[in-house]
Amino acid sequence: AQSVTQLDSQVPVFEEAPVELRCNYSSSVSVYLFWYVQYPNQGLQLLLKYLSGSTLVKGINGFEAEFNKSQTSFHLRKPSVHISDTAEYFCAVSDNYGQNFVFGPGTRLSVLP
Amino acid sequence: DTGVSQNPRHKITKRGQNVTFRCDPISEHNRLYWYRQTLGQGPEFLTYFQNEAQLEKSRLLSDRFSAERPKGSFSTLEIQRTEQGDSAMYLCASSLSLGVTATNEKLFFGSGTQLSVL
Repeated sequence: AQSVTQLDSQVPVFEEAPVELRCNYSSSVSVYLFWYVQYPNQGLQLLLKYLSGSTLVKGINGFEAEFNKSQTSFHLRKPSVHISDTAEYFCAVSDNYGQNFVFGPGTRLSVLP
Repeated sequence: DTGVSQNPRHKITKRGQNVTFRCDPISEHNRLYWYRQTLGQGPEFLTYFQNEAQLEKSRLLSDRFSAERPKGSFSTLEIQRTEQGDSAMYLCASSLSLGVTATNEKLFFGSGTQLSVL
């Protein structure tokens, strides 16, 4: 069984500052890793995903994440955030058959002016 | 708009009543998922369909819950004898599976149906 931990429930950060949202997972099988974003009153959207290959994955809106197998982590980073990045961010893991996505509890990113 | 559509957006019901939600996935997508999300939590998997076949159900899905996808297109989720603990956002997602090993699987989510049981 897979599980996902997002230790930070809320992350406040000033505009143009860098941010890192942490994600750790556990699984007994090979996994695919995802970050989804949920803007207020909208459905979840895919930010980026790691399937295989390069451990540094670039996504939309300037976000990137690095897969670290030894630390079972997939932290999300952005070097300079905007007010419009304020949203809930969910890390998710699926098995390599893509049959079951397990989501973390989410991290609420609040970008302050 | 050709995204995932869910109806209704909001549903308020009294305890003990039955409710039904509908999800219209992206037309060419063969997989359809139902999730439940409560405040402060990530989406919890409920069930998913490959075409019209329901392939997996979570233990969260008690016998009061039933989901169907009769023609492999839209899906309905019915909750019978609702309880206050059923209050949550019910999310539908769809994807295009490329085969047994879905290496390019990407979920597209609807905006959800917010259920409030009084």
